[in-house]
Amino acid sequence: GQNIDQPTEMTATEGAIVQINCTYQTSGFNGLFWYQQHAGEAPTFLSYNVLDGLEEKGRFSSFLSRSKGYSYLLLKELQMKDSASYLCAVTQPSGGYSTLTFGKGTMLLVSP
Amino acid sequence: ETGVTQTPRHLVMGMTNKKSLKCEQHLGHNAMYWYKQSAKKPLELMFVYSLEERVENNSVPSRFSPECPNSSHLFLHLHTLQPEDSALYLCASSQDPGGQYNQPQHFGDGTRLSIL
Repeated sequence: GQNIDQPTEMTATEGAIVQINCTYQTSGFNGLFWYQQHAGEAPTFLSYNVLDGLEEKGRFSSFLSRSKGYSYLLLKELQMKDSASYLCAVTQPSGGYSTLTFGKGTMLLVSP
Repeated sequence: ETGVTQTPRHLVMGMTNKKSLKCEQHLGHNAMYWYKQSAKKPLELMFVYSLEERVENNSVPSRFSPECPNSSHLFLHLHTLQPEDSALYLCASSQDPGGQYNQPQHFGDGTRLSIL
């Protein structure tokens, strides 16, 4: 079966650093996405990892270890606008297209 | 961003009504998706269309009927829904990977559906 786990909620302070973990057990793997979703809005793409290691993109970085079935999203210099749900999703091959399996999301609350 | 547009944003309907959700993408993608998002549950894939053909149906009840008339438009026809169908319905599009799986899906803002 497919299983993607991430913490339900996290809190952090403005200006701090926070790490959101994601572990996965899936029947196939062709990469891992992180999305950000503000309340009432569309999920928006943050990062994609397919090889082991760290991908850095401004204040956001994402790490992948395929052997451990583990990823994390690192947010630096937190801002109030970073309060949102962060979704971990694994992409799997299915014929000639890909499907995404999502975790339940981690609700991050950034306080002053 | 107006890449993927969904209408209506909110919909309240009775269990005997028939309604349709609409999705339009302006990104030139050739794959489109319907997802259901319920509280405290992960996004659930409902339907996938690639090159206007339905390629996956994740055992969705027949009271949900998708339609993809062309690569830019996707509909979800609803009839005789149940209270447990109340949720946020999200549409997404992507460039059909054809072996390249790093293409992200772009989502619309969703339709908040409430069944009375």
